[in-house]
Amino acid sequence: EVQLVESGGGLIQPGGSLRLSCAASDFTVTGTYMSWVRQAPGKGLEWVAVIYNNDATDYADSVKGRFTISRDNSKNTLYLQLNSLRVEDSAVYYCARVEPKTWYGMDVWGQGTTVTVSS
Amino acid sequence: DIQLTQSPSSLSASVGDRVTITCRASRSIADYLHWYQHKPGKAPRLLIYAVSSLRSGVPTRFSASGSGTDLTLTISSLQPEDFATYYCQQTYSVPWTFGQGTKVEIK
Repeated sequence: EVQLVESGGGLIQPGGSLRLSCAASDFTVTGTYMSWVRQAPGKGLEWVAVIYNNDATDYADSVKGRFTISRDNSKNTLYLQLNSLRVEDSAVYYCARVEPKTWYGMDVWGQGTTVTVSS
Repeated sequence: DIQLTQSPSSLSASVGDRVTITCRASRSIADYLHWYQHKPGKAPRLLIYAVSSLRSGVPTRFSASGSGTDLTLTISSLQPEDFATYYCQQTYSVPWTFGQGTKVEIK
């Protein structure tokens, strides 16, 4: 079954760092587009970052310079490194596969991992 | 950045009702517009991609249309499992953006 499973969320103090992981099953994260999306408490979905099939990346302005998206082909896992965390980064973070055949719709999603930034 | 404005922000409807949600883009996004369903504690689900293409496995009561900057999602006969929040999203240009969401509640 095609599946994504996130991990790595938790409670962290402002200014701290965290690395989120997203393990893929039944497809390879290599050579495909993958993305992170978040939802803050009581808010809507917010796109965070994308890694393209050529390993180029793009970020939302709100996280640029603080977050880094990457992948490990040997582990078939997507990552999101979160640095210089702020209270407003508190959210459920979802990873998603981006399918070029759907005009870059996100066709597979994980269940999410919760990040809480608080002192 | 391309802004997506959904209307209404919320609505109350009964099972069997026809429901229409609108998404207006701040500029043309060609066919790079998608619709998602999101229920609390669950992963978002892609319903419609490329403006009007129904994803395999999604019930045919869901449909969508539009062009340029005005897009619409329609649920022809609302079912109990359809109560959720719906989002439009554009992947025409970075930063990819979502609409603010439309919460569909039981009347």
